[in-house]
Amino acid sequence: DTAVSQTPKYLVTQMGNDKSIKCEQNLGHDTMYWYKQDSKKFLKIMFSYNNKELIINETVPNRFSPKSPDKAHLNLHINSLELGDSAVYFCASSPPLGGQGYTFGSGTRLTVV
Amino acid sequence: AQSVTQLDSQVPVFEEAPVELRCNYSSSVSVYLFWYVQYPNQGLQLLLKYLSGSTLVKGINGFEAEFNKSQTSFHLRKPSVHISDTAEYFCAVSLLGNDYKLSFGAGTTVTVRA
Repeated sequence: DTAVSQTPKYLVTQMGNDKSIKCEQNLGHDTMYWYKQDSKKFLKIMFSYNNKELIINETVPNRFSPKSPDKAHLNLHINSLELGDSAVYFCASSPPLGGQGYTFGSGTRLTVV
Repeated sequence: AQSVTQLDSQVPVFEEAPVELRCNYSSSVSVYLFWYVQYPNQGLQLLLKYLSGSTLVKGINGFEAEFNKSQTSFHLRKPSVHISDTAEYFCAVSLLGNDYKLSFGAGTTVTVRA
């Protein structure tokens, strides 16, 4: 069973479109995250949610809106897509005790054309 | 705020040779330290972590890392690499008591050649 699953795996879309990426974890973790990996493989945190509440919003444009309907799901909606949004987006989760590390999904490769 | 510097962007190595990947961190408070591996077109997998206690940490796939507080380093080593170890390796840090933000280094590309 996949621990953290993201859909879709690949997403190709035109500039200006709106798209969503879904993430689900079956680990019972309280905290979920979105990370962006750019073309140079640099990983940067975008959002952290703990028990459905936003904890960290790391100066992400407001075109990006995370939504957590319950603590097992954290979806990412992106409005008015731009070329610079092309990247791999990773969802992750972690348990409530600190220092356990994160479990990552396999990523969603977004290409904006 | 915490930060991580991986000192080598690319490390080519021959099969069965040892490898060391260097990581330095900066933080004004105590930290948790991690190494992750990313195989091509895959997500990140936890290799090992340091929380407290023994400064030598053993992980999966024969990797180990040593925490050095005075040098603020957490270098990753493997005594003998395989072709299958070809991957991107990331060092990461989070603050003790605030695990909501894991900060990553820029990554080290390890290429193992026969």
